[in-house]
Amino acid sequence: GQQVMQIPQYQHVQEGEDFTTYCNSSTTLSNIQWYKQRPGGHPVFLIQLVKSGEVKKQKRLTFQFGEAKKNSSLHITATQTTDVGTYFCAGSNFGNEKLTFGTGTRLTIIP
Amino acid sequence: EAQVTQNPRYLITVTGKKLTVTCSQNMNHEYMSWYRQDPGLGLRQIYYSMNVEVTDKGDVPEGYKVSRKEKRNFPLILESPSPNQTSLYFCASSRRDSSYNSPLHFGNGTRLTVT
Repeated sequence: GQQVMQIPQYQHVQEGEDFTTYCNSSTTLSNIQWYKQRPGGHPVFLIQLVKSGEVKKQKRLTFQFGEAKKNSSLHITATQTTDVGTYFCAGSNFGNEKLTFGTGTRLTIIP
Repeated sequence: EAQVTQNPRYLITVTGKKLTVTCSQNMNHEYMSWYRQDPGLGLRQIYYSMNVEVTDKGDVPEGYKVSRKEKRNFPLILESPSPNQTSLYFCASSRRDSSYNSPLHFGNGTRLTVT
């Protein structure tokens, strides 16, 4: 079955440093989504990528979808304490509505 | 306000005592799904439903049941809970009007402890 892996599992950064999480799929994806879960909260949708090589930005967040549509990344520039949380990617295959979540990357910020 | 409502938020029960976690959405979404979240394992899908009276197994369906008699409700039933079902559970819903998966809207979660 489809597997989606995320690395790293944990990341501790000083406030102001950059942060990147990577998502890798065992199969080609039709699209990938990213979610953020604040501590004690529920996952909240951030963005969806559907095109090969697509890059989207949301303020300090940059999302990329690989050329082969098997990997993706989320990069945060100059982290702030509000960025704390766990970031999940989720992807699905063509013709399959099942969305498979990655294992998540938990980001903590050292003030 | 558009939302997915889960109840209860916290539940402590004993092995074998049947329980139901309710989930309701007010967005007229066709798709609903249940996930469990465990440390290091991310979100794993238990069951999902494409529409009323249509349900399918996810990755970890053993020990769970669901029903979709109405569009807005998608309860999760544990007929005989066991300690390995101690987890954080999320219900989620989305539209089904595009070629790609629509964004999921999650409930606030139910933290279940089975002793």
